[in-house]
Amino acid sequence: DGGITQSPKYLFRKEGQNVTLSCEQNLNHDAMYWYRQDPGQGLRLIYYSQIVNDFQKGDIAEGYSVSREKKESFPLTVTSAQKNPTAFYLCASSSRASGETQYFGPGTRLLVL
Amino acid sequence: RKEVEQDPGPFNVPEGATVAFNCTYSNSASQSFFWYRQDCRKEPKLLMSVYSSGNEDGRFTAQLNRASQYISLLIRDSKLSDSATYLCVVKDNYGQNFVFGPGTRLSVLP
Repeated sequence: DGGITQSPKYLFRKEGQNVTLSCEQNLNHDAMYWYRQDPGQGLRLIYYSQIVNDFQKGDIAEGYSVSREKKESFPLTVTSAQKNPTAFYLCASSSRASGETQYFGPGTRLLVL
Repeated sequence: RKEVEQDPGPFNVPEGATVAFNCTYSNSASQSFFWYRQDCRKEPKLLMSVYSSGNEDGRFTAQLNRASQYISLLIRDSKLSDSATYLCVVKDNYGQNFVFGPGTRLSVLP
């Protein structure tokens, strides 16, 4: 089945630790996105990538980093510089062929110990 | 002013009721419009795209008013399973970002 997978479902981070969230899609979509959602809040864009080996900062990129070495994969690293990382992280992808509709993965919940 | 604003909610309605959600956007260059639904602790899922002429999908009707920069979603004959948060999303064709509204929560009561 085609879709977007994210792992892990839950992730615990210790103070000062970098953690990486995985996002993989087999929809052959060119564009991929990372969002953060806090309780009772809307989605805020962290980073996005329109093509392999290229990505741009979103509205809240500080304390995060990404890579796009393969079309299928767009991992997000939450660095120790991100002081308030506890949130629900959502990965999405889209393509012009799909009418620019975004499809989301199931999300990763990050908690700080 | 926020780029995309929605009715603050929550909306609590009885089964069978008709409910309407409103959304306004500030970027006049916006070209694509969507409604997503998000269940508690789950990812957003596309409910419907919104076309200039308006469109209907079963009990759901979406309308777009470009002059007023306004989008609406009408749900007829509400079901318990319609309980969720409804997200308004807009996108312009110059940038590549999708801008999400804060969402409006709907609870359909038995």
